[in-house]
Amino acid sequence: QVQLVQSGAEVKKPGASVKVSCKASGYTFTSYAMHWVRQAPGQRLEWMGWINAGNGNTKYSQKFQGRVTITRDTSASTAYMELSSLRSEDTAVYYCARWAAVATIGAELYYFDYWGQGTLVTVSS
Amino acid sequence: EIVMTQSPATLSVSPGERATLSCRASQSVSSNLAWYQQKPGQAPRLLIYGASTRATGIPARFSGSGSGTEFTLTISSLQSEDFAVYYCQQYNNWLLAFGQGTRLEIK
Repeated sequence: QVQLVQSGAEVKKPGASVKVSCKASGYTFTSYAMHWVRQAPGQRLEWMGWINAGNGNTKYSQKFQGRVTITRDTSASTAYMELSSLRSEDTAVYYCARWAAVATIGAELYYFDYWGQGTLVTVSS
Repeated sequence: EIVMTQSPATLSVSPGERATLSCRASQSVSSNLAWYQQKPGQAPRLLIYGASTRATGIPARFSGSGSGTEFTLTISSLQSEDFAVYYCQQYNNWLLAFGQGTRLEIK
């Protein structure tokens, strides 16, 4: 069965960086894109960016451009999200999510079908 | 980037009644719209994709409609397990965005 298992909670000081991992199993890692979504306490889901796990191409939300880097290690079936220059507003649960596609007549439809369990990142001095 | 706006922010409905949640995009997203349900402490769960296709295992009381900029999620007869936060999400030109969510609470 498909599983996305994320690394454990982190506590960081302002200005530091954090790197969260997401290990995939139960499917061919390179056949699906992986996205990162975060959720601050009591707030909405916020899309950060994604990586094509096959070719390594990435795309980031304008809000995080320059601060976020998404990478992958195909040999380990693992995706990574690194966020730099952390500030208190970055305190959130960070999720990885698999991006699935289904072909229909005239279009491809996309959605998140599996999610990691979430990783709490706390930024505090 | 496209902005997604959901309404209302909170919806109070009695069990067994119908709930209608709305989502508006700042520009057309065609049918690239999905709905997710999130309960406290859990990751979101996919309900609807392609604006109107139910995901595997989702009960028939959940239905989605709309295209372009206006979308609706309808829950025909609310069950106790349906009280949660619902998010719409669009995909367009390699970029994604979520709405701010609608909290569905018991009246």
